[in-house]
Amino acid sequence: ETGVTQTPRHLVMGMTNKKSLKCEQHLGHNAMYWYKQSAKKPLELMFVYNFKEQTENNSVPSRFSPECPNSSHLFLHLHTLQPEDSALYLCASSRGGQGYQPQHFGDGTRLSIL
Amino acid sequence: GIQVEQSPPDLILQEGANSTLRCNFSDSVNNLQWFHQNPWGQLINLFYIPSGTKQNGRLSATTVATERYSLLYISSSQTTDSGVYFCAVEGDTGGFKTIFGAGTRLFVKA
Repeated sequence: ETGVTQTPRHLVMGMTNKKSLKCEQHLGHNAMYWYKQSAKKPLELMFVYNFKEQTENNSVPSRFSPECPNSSHLFLHLHTLQPEDSALYLCASSRGGQGYQPQHFGDGTRLSIL
Repeated sequence: GIQVEQSPPDLILQEGANSTLRCNFSDSVNNLQWFHQNPWGQLINLFYIPSGTKQNGRLSATTVATERYSLLYISSSQTTDSGVYFCAVEGDTGGFKTIFGAGTRLFVKA
C-alpha cells in the first residue's frame, strides 16, 4: 500500500468514448503527477500540479484533460482517444513546495483503446 | 533537456549473484530516485539519493553528482528482485519536471 490509489485498474474504451481516470493520495502531499508508460518506452511525464496549480504540461494532446480539485485528488479526463494512447497511466504524489521530493506511485490504470 | 541513460538494458542473474546497475545523466540534478517496477506493473520507490550513499537491506545506491552518475547495487539476488529498475531525475531548474531512464530489465533465475 503506497498511499496513492488509482481507479479504475483497467479500462477498455472506444475512440469516441469519454472516460475519466481518478487518483487519490492519503499522504498529505501537495504535488501530484500523471505519467504515461507505453510498451518499450520510458515513463513520460504528462502533467504536474503543485498546490492545485498546473506547473507542467509536457506537450500532451488536448484529448487528455487533467483536473486537480484539491491536493488529494487528481483526474485525467479522456475523450476521442487514439489507439496509440493505449498504455499504463500512473499517478504519483510528492510533498510539494521546495526541496526533498521523493515521488510515490499508484498501481496505475491500464488503458486499452479499441 | 536532461538525458538519462541506464545500463545494462537487460540482465539475467542466477539467484544469489550480485549486480550493479548504472544511471548516467547529462546535467545537474536536484533529485534522483531509483524505482523497481515489479511484474504486475507496481512502481516501488527504492531510494531517494541526489548524492551520497544509502543502504536498505540487500540494496544500496551511490550517486556521484559531480560526475553525473548513480549506481544501484543488488547483493545476494532473489527471484523476487526480478522486474525493471528505473532511474529518474529532476533537473535543477525546478518545476518538478522528472525524466525517467529506459530502465534495466532484470531476471533472476532460481
